[in-house]
Amino acid sequence: AQKITQTQPGMFVQEKEAVTLDCTYDTSDQSYGLFWYKQPSSGEMIFLIYQGSYDEQNATEGRYSLNFQKARKSANLVISASQLGDSAMYFCAMRSPYGQNFVFGPGTRLSVLP
Amino acid sequence: DTEVTQTPKHLVMGMTNKKSLKCEQHMGHRAMYWYKQKAKKPPELMFVYSYEKLSINESVPSRFSPECPNSSLLNLHLHALQPEDSALYLCASSQDRGSSGANVLTFGAGSRLTVL
Repeated sequence: AQKITQTQPGMFVQEKEAVTLDCTYDTSDQSYGLFWYKQPSSGEMIFLIYQGSYDEQNATEGRYSLNFQKARKSANLVISASQLGDSAMYFCAMRSPYGQNFVFGPGTRLSVLP
Repeated sequence: DTEVTQTPKHLVMGMTNKKSLKCEQHMGHRAMYWYKQKAKKPPELMFVYSYEKLSINESVPSRFSPECPNSSLLNLHLHALQPEDSALYLCASSQDRGSSGANVLTFGAGSRLTVL
């Protein structure tokens, strides 16, 4: 069975600072995809970044980067230069090649302080 | 603007009412999903339609009835709900199965349901 762990229920970061949100996962699959989503208080789940298990390079999307350490089964999200609009819940998720479901972690609530 | 449109945004209903949540996407995605999300929790999968056929039902009570009239539309029919069914209901779509980046789940803004 697949499982995602996010050990930080809440995080605070000062505006313009960088922050790392932790995500570890457990799977017996060799091929899988890892995703990060942001959920503001409005409720919509916004896709941020994707990392494939066979990707050798860490994924980057603008201010978001993914620190992928396959041997440690971790996929931490790094947000550089935090902005007030980054305050939200962040979910790490995983999907296996033939599964139709995404397994979500419990989430981390990020608060950006002015 | 989100590419997955959900209506209504808010719904209040009594336990004897019948109502429906609607979801529409025009991205050509062939898989559509209903998720239920309680406050401060991750989304929980309810149903998956793949190529307009129900492929996953996560043991959801029969008071929730999904329908996929065509590849762009997904409905969730609600009948005789309980107060504990109050939650945010999220619709999502993806290109298909698979773990590649092409199969990102695209979510709608959600329908916030309150059952009195």
